[in-house]
Amino acid sequence: GQNIDQPTEMTATEGAIVQINCTYQTSGFNGLFWYQQHAGEAPTFLSYNVLDGLEEKGRFSSFLSRSKGYSYLLLKELQMKDSASYLCAVKNSNYQLIWGAGTKLIIKP
Amino acid sequence: IAGITQAPTSQILAAGRRMTLRCTQDMRHNAMYWYRQDLGLGLRLIHYSNTAGTTGKGEVPDGYSVSRANTDDFPLTLASAVPSQTSVYFCASSVAGESNEQFFGPGTRLTVL
Repeated sequence: GQNIDQPTEMTATEGAIVQINCTYQTSGFNGLFWYQQHAGEAPTFLSYNVLDGLEEKGRFSSFLSRSKGYSYLLLKELQMKDSASYLCAVKNSNYQLIWGAGTKLIIKP
Repeated sequence: IAGITQAPTSQILAAGRRMTLRCTQDMRHNAMYWYRQDLGLGLRLIHYSNTAGTTGKGEVPDGYSVSRANTDDFPLTLASAVPSQTSVYFCASSVAGESNEQFFGPGTRLTVL
């Protein structure tokens, strides 16, 4: 079967750094996406990785290791508005997105 | 409108009733998708359409049907609703291409009693 695993919940402090991990087993790989979803709202795109390595975009970075089936999202200089769920999704050989259940990130002052 | 819209925002429905969830985008995206999101589970693909006139089944298509008569609209129909279809439904669209992200509508919260 296909599955995406992420921690259910994480807590971090305002101003700190947090790393959210994602491991995947899918039928084929055509890229990995990270989305942010605030409570009661729609998911919004954060990042895309298809090659191994780190992609940096402002306070957010995403890393991919295809050989390990592993990715992480790194959030720096945490702000209260970063409190949200972070969804990892992999595009499989059929070009369909397989989604993890999401990691709820709680930011404390 | 700008982006992708869904209607209704929320709905309570009696089991056995027919219901159509509407989705419209004005971004001229060729691909559109319907997902359901349930607590503790990832988004699950119900149906998709890569271009107007074509549709395909996703991971959980049973009990749902879709049509794609034009580029902008992608309605999802529940022919005879059941309580297990209680969920939040998201419509999404994208430009075809591996790296292109999906843009999501605001969602429809559906409760089937």
